[in-house]
Amino acid sequence: AQTVTQSQPEMSVQEAETVTLSCTYDTSESDYYLFWYKQPPSRQMILVIRQEAYKQQNATENRFSVNFQKAAKSFSLKISDSQLGDAAMYFCAYRSAFAGGTSYGKLTFGQGTILTVHP
Amino acid sequence: EPEVTQTPSHQVTQMGQEVILRCVPISNHLYFYWYRQILGQKVEFLVSFYNNEISEKSEIFDDQFSVERPDGSNFTLKIRSTKLEDSAMYFCASSVSNQPQHFGDGTRLSIL
Repeated sequence: AQTVTQSQPEMSVQEAETVTLSCTYDTSESDYYLFWYKQPPSRQMILVIRQEAYKQQNATENRFSVNFQKAAKSFSLKISDSQLGDAAMYFCAYRSAFAGGTSYGKLTFGQGTILTVHP
Repeated sequence: EPEVTQTPSHQVTQMGQEVILRCVPISNHLYFYWYRQILGQKVEFLVSFYNNEISEKSEIFDDQFSVERPDGSNFTLKIRSTKLEDSAMYFCASSVSNQPQHFGDGTRLSIL
């Protein structure tokens, strides 16, 4: 079974600074997807960024980028120019890419990291 | 932008009662999911649904739980006899094949 680990329960950053959230995962599959979801106090789950394991290029979405290290099974999220609205719980998640695989479709989440942004 | 909608936003139920949580997935999505998040804990997968049947379920999804797509638009989660430990936020999600899942805003279920 796949597991996702976020070792930082809480992180903080000053507004306009950069912060990196860590995520590691364990899988025996060769093709999969990795995601970062943001959950603000309103409790919605908002997709931040997605990475496909077969793509070596790191995904980027505006101020959000990832450092995907497949061999190390590491998938960190970098938030540049942090804004007050970035304050939220951030979840790393894994999904198999194989139809009919044991975990196809379902997301496996890490424990989450609470990000605080200081003005 | 189309979105997944969940009702009610908050449900309060007496222990032992049945509860039905409702979701309207995005209209062209074919894969549907329920997740649970106990307060302060991580989001946990409950069940996935495709082509009018369950495709996968977790060990949490025992005989007290059931899902249904009664009318082609709604996707419901029923808990037959609620327990205190069922208190959680329940999220519905939907997707098109291998595209990212879109989540609803969740239903907060409180069991008294």
